[in-house]
Amino acid sequence: NAGVTQTPKFRVLKTGQSMTLLCAQDMNHEYMYWYRQDPGMGLRLIHYSVGEGTTAKGEVPDGYNVSRLKKQNFLLGLESAAPSQTSVYFCASSMLQGLVVEQYFGPGTRLTVT
Amino acid sequence: GDSVTQMEGPVTLSEEAFLTINCTYTATGYPSLFWYVQYPGEGLQLLLKATKADDKGSNKGFEATYRKETTSFHLEKGSVQVSDSAVYFCALSMTGGGNKLTFGTGTQLKVEL
Repeated sequence: NAGVTQTPKFRVLKTGQSMTLLCAQDMNHEYMYWYRQDPGMGLRLIHYSVGEGTTAKGEVPDGYNVSRLKKQNFLLGLESAAPSQTSVYFCASSMLQGLVVEQYFGPGTRLTVT
Repeated sequence: GDSVTQMEGPVTLSEEAFLTINCTYTATGYPSLFWYVQYPGEGLQLLLKATKADDKGSNKGFEATYRKETTSFHLEKGSVQVSDSAVYFCALSMTGGGNKLTFGTGTQLKVEL
């Protein structure tokens, strides 16, 4: 049981390049999330999904797109990377159960845009 | 909107010292409250949680009590260890709406021998 995994762990992009971050979970969770973590700002929600085929915007969605074609995968895309998108990206998942739902986090992807 | 405010770090303590990390929240309803911990180079892990007023969450010697009257959820530990060195995040979640978490900015704790 691997939990939540993220690919890649590190990446350096040039301004204007595109890339996709992959998140996979093997816990059969309904909900999945993408956050970015920046110094002094905590974690901010980019996009999230409440089920296969659904996505919704979070607090800071601009410049990112997401897809949830399979329940276990949640992809985060950057179409034209900018230096402001230099950050650590975390994926998380949670189950649909009761009123209090713990989120399980992946190890993160460190992205640098030059 | 909903928000979480926690004390700024870094906090540096000697081993076996008492720890308090303050956390207050603003929410339109009655949120669930969480403390997450992030060890160096890792993702976040749930440390403890509380779902209603006066609930006390506890785990690994850490405790936090949901205080509705002061809108607070302060994290405490009686005797810290070097292995507790990490970044601690307070967070809230409102029921429904995808169970999204709103995080504080995090407090870095460093415990020295």
